[in-house]
Amino acid sequence: DIQLTQSPSFLSASVGDRVTITCRASQVISNYLSWYQQKPGKAPKLLIYAASTLQSGVPSRFSGSGSETEFTLTISSLQPEDFATYYCQQLNNYPLTFGGGTKVEIK
Amino acid sequence: HLQLQESGPGLVKPSETLSLTCTVPGGSISSSSDSWGWIRQPPGKGLEWIGTIYNSGTTFFNPSLQSRVTLSVDTSQNQISLRLKSVTAADTAVYYCARHGLDTTVLGGENYFDYWGQGTLVTVSS
Repeated sequence: DIQLTQSPSFLSASVGDRVTITCRASQVISNYLSWYQQKPGKAPKLLIYAASTLQSGVPSRFSGSGSETEFTLTISSLQPEDFATYYCQQLNNYPLTFGGGTKVEIK
Repeated sequence: HLQLQESGPGLVKPSETLSLTCTVPGGSISSSSDSWGWIRQPPGKGLEWIGTIYNSGTTFFNPSLQSRVTLSVDTSQNQISLRLKSVTAADTAVYYCARHGLDTTVLGGENYFDYWGQGTLVTVSS
């Protein structure tokens, strides 16, 4: 199975900050990676797929980059509604796997 | 905007079978290219993929659950079903159904989940 390691697992930031979350895969997955945002009590919401393709309707302050084994999710200017937990997911091989999550909280 | 809705018992006894249904109200799941997944999340923990089923009937499972999981699709009812047998307390989780997105214009544009149900909490307890 492909393991995904997210860092940091917890992040404290202020509104307006630039935030970067990293996801590392245990083997090469090309660009078969997606990112999700999850708020308490809600289902995850797709932000990005194919490592850098922004899902329709997602604000442009979210961006994804990377390939092979290292990927990043960047929020260019953190907004109050962005405080949530973020997960990466690899799409390259079954079994599909998720990273452990990064919780972004208000400083 | 595609809506998915999970339904089923919120409480299951240990050793029994958990059965959930995912319905797409007002929509159609009959496209042969569509595929559907189930994901679960234990309270306070991360996401775990359970399995995926294509409308053709092809299935893929998480090896850790494969021996206990059955997935089925009923296109006439617009429903996808999950059965997990011999449950224990470790199976207590919010269970989500989701649709696999597909974007053939980009490399890597498959197997992500673009539409999710709201999730249903299943507690395993006697």
